Amino acid sequence: QISLKESGPAVVKSTQTLKLTCTFSGISLTSSGVRVSWIRQPPGKALEWLARIDGDGERFYNTSLKTRLTVFKDTSKNQVLLTMTNMDPVDTATYYCVCHAHDSNHFYNWFDPWGQGTLVTVSS
Amino acid sequence: DYVMTQSPESLSVSLGERVTITCRSSQSVLNSLNNRNYLVWYQQKPGQPPNVLIYWASTRKSGVPDRFSGSGSGTHFTLTINSLQAEDVAVYYCQQYFTTPYTFGQGTQLEIK
Repeated sequence: QISLKESGPAVVKSTQTLKLTCTFSGISLTSSGVRVSWIRQPPGKALEWLARIDGDGERFYNTSLKTRLTVFKDTSKNQVLLTMTNMDPVDTATYYCVCHAHDSNHFYNWFDPWGQGTLVTVSS
Repeated sequence: DYVMTQSPESLSVSLGERVTITCRSSQSVLNSLNNRNYLVWYQQKPGQPPNVLIYWASTRKSGVPDRFSGSGSGTHFTLTINSLQAEDVAVYYCQQYFTTPYTFGQGTQLEIK
């Protein structure tokens, strides 16, 4: 069974860089075809996909945020990391790490399971 | 980017009644090669991450009660809950996974009348 746990600062200041870590169990980031995404949700608002990284290292980004985002992985620690530069109060949100749904043959592009999320507040 | 628009934004329904939530995509999410619609529905209860209800627009995830069903194709999709139960109070989201960037609807808040 796959589980994911996000970690990172609860509060960051405006203009700072956010760094979040997602630690996996139950699946290896070296597994063929594995896909992991980051998603965020401002309080009381909708979900927003941020970035994806695949086991082969290929990356995909949110169109409007791609200049601020970097997603990378540390396979030795079975972790996926996300950095977001130039943080602003509007970036206050719960940030989720998610594994793409999969079966024995393929990873798909909906999200299952999700981590519990980590709330990041950006102070001005 | 594909824009996903849900309606209504909120609704209040009596227990045992039927619920219908609509999701429209700005572009078709139907793959003509495999005849699959790349559309998923999630349920999010307060303080929890979302959970998958329906994928491929109409395939119910194992363990999801059969009162939940999905339909539609191309750009117009529907999530139906037959006989609303108290535990169905949640926010419901659609998401297209036809292409990156993956995009979500704005959510539909479902309450009990």
